[in-house]
Amino acid sequence: NAGVMQNPRHLVRRRGQEARLRCSPMKGHSHVYWYRQLPEEGLKFMVYLQKENIIDESGMPKERFSAEFPKEGPSILRIQQVVRGDSAAYFCASSPGTGGDQPQHFGDGTRLSIL
Amino acid sequence: SQQGEEDPQALSIQEGENATMNCSYKTSINNLQWYRQNSGRGLVHLILIRSNEREKHSGRLRVTLDTSKKSSSLLITASRAADTASYFCAPSSGTYKYIFGTGTRLKVLA
Repeated sequence: NAGVMQNPRHLVRRRGQEARLRCSPMKGHSHVYWYRQLPEEGLKFMVYLQKENIIDESGMPKERFSAEFPKEGPSILRIQQVVRGDSAAYFCASSPGTGGDQPQHFGDGTRLSIL
Repeated sequence: SQQGEEDPQALSIQEGENATMNCSYKTSINNLQWYRQNSGRGLVHLILIRSNEREKHSGRLRVTLDTSKKSSSLLITASRAADTASYFCAPSSGTYKYIFGTGTRLKVLA
């Protein structure tokens, strides 16, 4: 049973380029969450999506960041015109429902480095 | 949603010893979850304790919850080198939005 799959594991971009991070949730999970983690810090919530819908994007920066979870295919976190401060580990999690007693299952993250 | 605060920030013990870490939170919760993060990996769910439970066990893990003090503790008994990781708590008011603290970094020395 495959877990949450994220790719790429490592991504290097130059300032001004675009970064696209992909996340395939666990089989049977229709709820996807993205988090960002800076070194030595905890994970910060960014966005919560269901298929074709953004439910809560309260943790997303207002500019340059967008997320989608299409009917077919993985969820995508897109960062346009990256800056040095975007360097972080980005984690995706999924769950079968939204109840607070349903644990989220995490992928191993994408480590984004901005040159 | 609310953030859990883990304490201590770092803990170093010898293999075979017990490790205890604590979590405090501010408002009422439906449940509280503990997660582990190994270096370079994602979070792994360890255990969930509901607000009407006081203690829960899972293998070498024991979690307690004191809602009157708004705190929880995670005890790992007979620790192993493989337990070296960061541990995070996630208090939940019944929603999906977890706000993680900076965690407790546990190092188990062989």
